[in-house]
Amino acid sequence: AQKVTQAQTEISVVEKEDVTLDCVYETRDTTYYLFWYKQPPSGELVFLIRRNSFDEQNEISGRYSWNFQKSTSSFNFTITASQVVDSAVYFCALSEARGQNFVFGPGTRLSVLP
Amino acid sequence: DGGITQSPKYLFRKEGQNVTLSCEQNLNHDAMYWYRQDPGQGLRLIYYSQIVNDFQKGDIAEGYSVSREKKESFPLTVTSAQKNPTAFYLCASSSGLIGQFFGPGTRLTVL
Repeated sequence: AQKVTQAQTEISVVEKEDVTLDCVYETRDTTYYLFWYKQPPSGELVFLIRRNSFDEQNEISGRYSWNFQKSTSSFNFTITASQVVDSAVYFCALSEARGQNFVFGPGTRLSVLP
Repeated sequence: DGGITQSPKYLFRKEGQNVTLSCEQNLNHDAMYWYRQDPGQGLRLIYYSQIVNDFQKGDIAEGYSVSREKKESFPLTVTSAQKNPTAFYLCASSSGLIGQFFGPGTRLTVL
């Protein structure tokens, strides 16, 4: 069975601090996909990134970066120089190879204080 | 613009009433999903459909029903059998392995 764990329920940081959101996953599949979504107060989930299990390269997009490590089954998300607009709930998700059986983690609520 | 629309944004229901939440997508995605989110909680899968005229129960299907007569549409009916329907409902669609894309959600409140 697939499972996604986000151990940090809530995180508070002061603006301009760096913050890392942890995601640990479990799957028996050798091919799978990992995702991060952002849910701002408006409620809509915003797609941030997709990563397949064969690509362990870290990715950077502006202030966002992702660290994928198969050895520890982790797909952590770092926001550099956080801003108030980064305040949201962030979900990590896992999908099997065929794109079905999408599993979400419980989410981490990030509050960035001015 | 391509995307997923959900209507209404806010919905109020009296106890004992059935209500239907709309979800439409023009992304030409094959699969569509309904999730429920309670305050401060994660997403729980209600129903999903991989293809027209076919759908499967998710983790919390009791008290809900769906139909998939068209590729673009996947309405969710919250029946009177759902004992605690007040929640935020999110519809999503996907195609292949690109991940799920979400609509803006419908906030349902039972009066």
